[in-house]
Amino acid sequence: SQQGEEDPQALSIQEGENATMNCSYKTSINNLQWYRQNSGRGLVHLILIRSNEREKHSGRLRVTLDTSKKSSSLLITASRAADTASYFCATGQGAQKLVFGQGTRLTINP
Amino acid sequence: NAGVTQTPKFRVLKTGQSMTLLCAQDMNHEYMYWYRQDPGMGLRLIHYSVGEGTTAKGEVPDGYNVSRLKKQNFLLGLESAAPSQTSVYFCASGLREGGSYEQYFGPGTRLTVT
Repeated sequence: SQQGEEDPQALSIQEGENATMNCSYKTSINNLQWYRQNSGRGLVHLILIRSNEREKHSGRLRVTLDTSKKSSSLLITASRAADTASYFCATGQGAQKLVFGQGTRLTINP
Repeated sequence: NAGVTQTPKFRVLKTGQSMTLLCAQDMNHEYMYWYRQDPGMGLRLIHYSVGEGTTAKGEVPDGYNVSRLKKQNFLLGLESAAPSQTSVYFCASGLREGGSYEQYFGPGTRLTVT
């Protein structure tokens, strides 16, 4: 069964707007990671946040983690057409494995 | 540095046929993984390996076998393919960095079983 659940399942915005995606999970974690998947390609790691961190930035990406609510959000600022992709959260639970959510399909309209 | 490569990229099998998918990585990573991705779904872990000569079951291991004879290679076998195994298969490798496990993915193999 999937650990993470992304919300919304699909998101369509205009270029230049900000995009926010959310991820909820069920069990305690060591870290939470966000990945991007362009159509027909493999996943690419974007950012990792550890369970003792609350917020992390990387370029136009901002990730927050609320372990009390078992949730995370990914914010992409000033979106570009090239950001069109599916975004997945993945939780690490101490072993070497990650458990992926079902993803959010993001479409950036020019 | 090729990263993670997968062979083949596409394959069509008939029910009952067998095949092996090859994953290779040149990053000297200890950990390797096989996932399947079905339409509109996230990735589900089939099998994984934490080092040469070791393998372990993931979330959906039935109908698949794996081998890790060399550190850089991780093979996924289907002994008797079924239509339910139609999917896109991704291999990944990773290493431990400060207690976290970032993974690097291959481009995928699209398998159709008729």
